[in-house]
Amino acid sequence: KAGVTQTPRYLIKTRGQQVTLSCSPISGHRSVSWYQQTPGQGLQFLFEYFSETQRNKGNFPGRFSGRQFSNSRSEMNVSTLELGDSALYLCASSLESSDIKYFGPGTRLTVT
Amino acid sequence: AQSVTQLDSQVPVFEEAPVELRCNYSSSVSVYLFWYVQYPNQGLQLLLKYLSGSTLVKGINGFEAEFNKSQTSFHLRKPSVHISDTAEYFCAVSDNFGNEKLTFGTGTRLTIIP
Repeated sequence: KAGVTQTPRYLIKTRGQQVTLSCSPISGHRSVSWYQQTPGQGLQFLFEYFSETQRNKGNFPGRFSGRQFSNSRSEMNVSTLELGDSALYLCASSLESSDIKYFGPGTRLTVT
Repeated sequence: AQSVTQLDSQVPVFEEAPVELRCNYSSSVSVYLFWYVQYPNQGLQLLLKYLSGSTLVKGINGFEAEFNKSQTSFHLRKPSVHISDTAEYFCAVSDNFGNEKLTFGTGTRLTIIP
């Protein structure tokens, strides 16, 4: 069974731009979560989607948003990029919301 | 609110020696506990989990962890490490009432010395 896939793997953007990251969960998984990993703040929860509905949200500004499609694929969007948004963005999928989460390889975003 | 403390940010260990990576948590409710490993330039891989039942859980790659409720700890152990175990290890907690969010510790970088 294929694992969680994330595209693109690497991305370089300029301050003020916006970016969209994509995550395809393991087949059959309906829950997708997003995490931001930085050297300073570690791993922080962004949000979680289940059956196209946002179920939980972390403490991030409104510039960070996401959505989930009917096939469970998810996208997250960051608008008006700041230097501090440079991070590894990890997506995780699970069968149900409270099940074990399986992580993808991440998208490394660099904001210049 | 939950929190996870990994006291050791870096742990150097000689090859074939035993290792213990420490994890303590705090929570006002019952929890699920996890250890994840992250190899360079990769995502997180689940090593093992404690959901309920036996307090000693075995995971992949020869790792095991023991849940100690009275000490609110979930330390990770391996009796003999290999060069391939060089990675960063994260302890994580979620409550067991359907909360989807994982709270992670700050990680422990394990370096194996040949």
